[in-house]
Amino acid sequence: GAGVSQSPRYKVAKRGQDVALRCDPISGHVSLFWYQQALGQGPEFLTYFQNEAQLDKSGLPSDRFFAERPEGSVSTLKIQRTQQEDSAVYLCASSHTSGAFTGELFFGEGSRLTVL
Amino acid sequence: AQTVTQSQPEMSVQEAETVTLSCTYDTSESNYYLFWYKQPPSRQMILVIRQEAYKQQNATENRFSVNFQKAAKSFSLKISDSQLGDTAMYFCAFIPNNAGNMLTFGGGTRLMVKP
Repeated sequence: GAGVSQSPRYKVAKRGQDVALRCDPISGHVSLFWYQQALGQGPEFLTYFQNEAQLDKSGLPSDRFFAERPEGSVSTLKIQRTQQEDSAVYLCASSHTSGAFTGELFFGEGSRLTVL
Repeated sequence: AQTVTQSQPEMSVQEAETVTLSCTYDTSESNYYLFWYKQPPSRQMILVIRQEAYKQQNATENRFSVNFQKAAKSFSLKISDSQLGDTAMYFCAFIPNNAGNMLTFGGGTRLMVKP
């Protein structure tokens, strides 16, 4: 596609439910990032993939968060047993560069998760 | 650890006027990149301008320019001839040259351009 596509755009979950958020990056982009953006704040890094390899997951807040990119294109962020503090917009971004990042990140419109 | 601070939560400017958004950062690195991203109400963030720390010349992109003061660790964004379409959240971001992949964002400044 022309841009980074994320789905669903909006998700309401009851506390304790599992959710899966999908990211379809720009075709051919090597790098893929997940960020969490709480209301009124800047995005915070969650995890990074270079192709199918998850090279950095230091930002994942707990072991309830899991991300994968099995074929080096589409990525899924899974949150198990959701809690209210997980409510946020989850942004996916991709880049054509790999390794040391010096270029531009292309962002999707995000998935807004509300946990009741 | 690196931190990025945007001290102005909200700003407003009249259409066609100039506005400056502030950003400071803290790092012990000597080589790094700085960015300004714009996030309109639709939430898709787009890159506005980029500055490489080893370049002394301030970056410019049409109506957008930066004032990069490396010693002061300051990276402000100037928007000239403000347009209604400039209304958005603006985020300053930083990445060290050797850190690879973790882009650190500031808390953002909400800019409102008034007609």
